[in-house]
Amino acid sequence: DTAVSQTPKYLVTQMGNDKSIKCEQNLGHDTMYWYKQDSKKFLKIMFSYNNKELIINETVPNRFSPKSPDKAHLNLHINSLELGDSAVYFCASSHNTGGPFREQYFGPGTRLTVT
Amino acid sequence: AQRVTQPEKLLSVFKGAPVELKCNYSYSGSPELFWYVQYSRQRLQLLLRHISRESIKGFTADLNKGETSFHLKKPFAQEEDSAMYYCALVGSARQLTFGSGTQLTVLP
Repeated sequence: DTAVSQTPKYLVTQMGNDKSIKCEQNLGHDTMYWYKQDSKKFLKIMFSYNNKELIINETVPNRFSPKSPDKAHLNLHINSLELGDSAVYFCASSHNTGGPFREQYFGPGTRLTVT
Repeated sequence: AQRVTQPEKLLSVFKGAPVELKCNYSYSGSPELFWYVQYSRQRLQLLLRHISRESIKGFTADLNKGETSFHLKKPFAQEEDSAMYYCALVGSARQLTFGSGTQLTVLP
C-alpha cells in the first residue's frame, strides 16, 4: 500500500513525559510536514522539512522537534509534555521542489492525550 | 501575513439542496487555493485546487480575486458529502495555511 503511515494511532501519557510519533511515507516525496489539529478541529502547520530546509512555525514551542533519519521518515519528538499538547497530530508529504505547489498526502493521524 | 477565514463552523442542508461553503483569504501576492475534505474516520484529502478549475464529486470552487474568496459549491448535496471541509492557501513560504474548517451535514 502506497501511503503515509503514522505510529502510534493513539498515545496516552502523563504530563512531563517525553514521547515520539513516527511517520513514514513510501510515495517518494521530497517534503514532509507535521500538523496539529486541536479540539476545535483547527489545523495548523508545525513543520515542513525536505533535505535542504526545515521550516518551523514560529508558534511551535521548542519542546517539539522533528527528526528525519532519511527522506521517507519524519518523526516528531515532544519533550516535557503539557496538557495543552493534547491534540491529533497529522503527518503529510508532497513533492514540493519547484513548480506549482503539489498535493499533500496526509497520514491517518495520531491522537495524543496528556493526563 | 496570510490568513484563511471560514465563517461557518457548522452547516446543515437537506439532501438535494444546493450547498455553498464560504472561504475568504488574506494574502498580498497571488495565492494558490485548495479545498481539503475529511470524511468521518478518514484522513484529510485534497478535494480540489483553483488552478485545476475542475469539478470533483460535483463540487466546484471559483477564485474571486476582487472579493478574495474561494467558495465551494455543489448544486445538489448528497448525504455522503457530510464531512469536515477545510479551505487552504499556499503563500510564499510554500506552506499550507488552513481555515478553521466547516462541518457540513447533509440531512436525509
